[in-house]
Amino acid sequence: NAGVMQNPRHLVRRRGQEARLRCSPMKGHSHVYWYRQLPEEGLKFMVYLQKENIIDESGMPKERFSAEFPKEGPSILRIQQVVRGDSAAYFCASSPSPGGNQPQHFGDGTRLSIL
Amino acid sequence: AQSVAQPEDQVNVAEGNPLTVKCTYSVSGNPYLFWYVQYPNRGLQFLLKYITGDNLVKGSYGFEAEFNKSQTSFHLKKPSALVSDSALYFCAVRDKINFNKFYFGSGTKLNVKP
Repeated sequence: NAGVMQNPRHLVRRRGQEARLRCSPMKGHSHVYWYRQLPEEGLKFMVYLQKENIIDESGMPKERFSAEFPKEGPSILRIQQVVRGDSAAYFCASSPSPGGNQPQHFGDGTRLSIL
Repeated sequence: AQSVAQPEDQVNVAEGNPLTVKCTYSVSGNPYLFWYVQYPNRGLQFLLKYITGDNLVKGSYGFEAEFNKSQTSFHLKKPSALVSDSALYFCAVRDKINFNKFYFGSGTKLNVKP
């Protein structure tokens, strides 16, 4: 399967713990995007990364959230000291370029539950 | 600011009947518009896009969408609905300056009954 791969599919954490979400883009795609989806809502843009660079993090909360896309390996979305409000589905998407007529291809998401 | 609106939370239609899922947009200039479908516990799947050209765009699974500039709408349509079309549908507009940004509507749940 050459699609966008996200793991884990489900993640349970207690308040105050750290959550790490991983995303491997489609083969040949070097642009990665992270979105958050709250129940009954659409997707909200969080961050856009290229290899080793954060291009746009305007949708990312200023505290506790960080993202990286290293030269080797998957992109990581990291949430420190999780709180109940972080419970959501987190989706990763990738594209071969950021061009206007290219759709983004989505993974199946990680559903994060905070106890 | 760019945005899309999906005025209906839910659409119910009988199998075999035509379906329409509504989307209106607010964008300066010509928009880049997309429709995605989301099945339970899955990510979004691309259906179709409008960039330029013909106002009627054909996409996957027999879906099409009509771009109407005067009404600032991009409604999703299908002539004959299938039960398997039941899913969550999202309209999205792409930021024309920051191409990395999509603005998604709140989604419309389509229920197709046998």
